[in-house]
Amino acid sequence: QQQVKQSPQSLIVQKGGISIINCAYENTAFDYFPWYQQFPGKGPALLIAIRPDVSEKKEGRFTISFNKSAKQFSLHIMDSQPGDSATYFCAAGNDYKLSFGAGTTVTVRA
Amino acid sequence: NAGVTQTPKFQVLKTGQSMTLQCAQDMNHEYMSWYRQDPGMGLRLIHYSVGAGITDQGEVPNGYNVSRSTTEDFPLRLLSAAPSQTSVYFCASSRGAGRSDTEAFFGQGTRLTVV
Repeated sequence: QQQVKQSPQSLIVQKGGISIINCAYENTAFDYFPWYQQFPGKGPALLIAIRPDVSEKKEGRFTISFNKSAKQFSLHIMDSQPGDSATYFCAAGNDYKLSFGAGTTVTVRA
Repeated sequence: NAGVTQTPKFQVLKTGQSMTLQCAQDMNHEYMSWYRQDPGMGLRLIHYSVGAGITDQGEVPNGYNVSRSTTEDFPLRLLSAAPSQTSVYFCASSRGAGRSDTEAFFGQGTRLTVV
């Protein structure tokens, strides 16, 4: 049973458009919510992360929105570029452990 | 700076064979873990270690063993390979130390096929 549910499974966006990926969790013990980006043949790499005491965090074109009461969080990729084409994983952590969502494959069309 | 190094990158095993996937990190991280990645399943935790001599089971530990004799190394052993263990395996490390908000660094992965 997956502790973090992620949607959509895949999405296609035009260059310059906005990509939105959503995640939901049940375990209120989670206190750390990172997003990882993975390119084909590579390991995942941390993209951006948020703690539950803030509702939004922005780093460049990437923004996490966090809704603690709804136990949901999302990743927005603004002005999407072909180089953003990758698989994105949301995760939720407590102590040492991370639980990952199933992943979203984002394709940015030029 | 090598980070997390996994070997081999690719491996084909026959059902019933055993093998060890190697993982080494040079960042002096306390916490190391093994995940498997399957299509539509994300990354699932197999085993983890919070320091040398300490290991514990994750979400999908059956069929795998680990040990942590040094801070740097965390090998994953497949005892008797089965086709269900065909997957991409990732090793990760982080500073840990009781904090969840520390970045996990992943290796490049080992693609294992069991025939």
